[in-house]
Amino acid sequence: EAGVAQSPRYKIIEKRQSVAFWCNPISGHATLYWYQQILGQGPKLLIQFQNNGVVDDSQLPKDRFSAERLKGVDSTLKIQPAKLEDSAVYLCASSPVFIYEQYFGPGTRLTVT
Amino acid sequence: QKEVEQDPGPLSVPEGAIVSLNCTYSNSAFQYFMWYRQYSRKGPELLMYTYSSGNKEDGRFTAQVDKSSKYISLFIRDSQPSDSATYLCAMSAPGGFKTIFGAGTRLFVKA
Repeated sequence: EAGVAQSPRYKIIEKRQSVAFWCNPISGHATLYWYQQILGQGPKLLIQFQNNGVVDDSQLPKDRFSAERLKGVDSTLKIQPAKLEDSAVYLCASSPVFIYEQYFGPGTRLTVT
Repeated sequence: QKEVEQDPGPLSVPEGAIVSLNCTYSNSAFQYFMWYRQYSRKGPELLMYTYSSGNKEDGRFTAQVDKSSKYISLFIRDSQPSDSATYLCAMSAPGGFKTIFGAGTRLFVKA
């Protein structure tokens, strides 16, 4: 079974630029999550999708972050414009049914200079 | 006060030692308790989960939940250098509420 795919793996941008991350979850997984993991901290949920719909986006900075899940499968997370404090690893995860069973991708390491 | 507290370490032990990793939490609604392992530059992988209180064993790993004390533990027996990683505790309430992660404890097992 293929795992969660993410691209790119690394990205370096200047502040005020925009960036987009892509995620392909495990086939058949209805729930998709985007997390932000700052160095030395645990993952923090940004947004959770159930199929096409948003379940929780309470911690998504909506003035600069946006996310969509196309046809209930792939998802993109966008930051526009980026700030220095957005430097982090952005993790995508998916789960079949139960929230405790989350499968993570390798993450995208973003550096904002 | 954070919902989930976890000592970041680092924790350094010799090979073969028993390792104890712990988390405390404040939200009594949490019912699902998970432990994830994260190697450097990789995504977290689920090690074990426990529903409500009690113990659960899987090979060299044992997870314990004490809801009365709001305290969870992960024990690793006969630790190996390959166990060197960051261990994240995570928990969530029933009904699909978001999972809250601890900051992670960095473990080093020396050969």
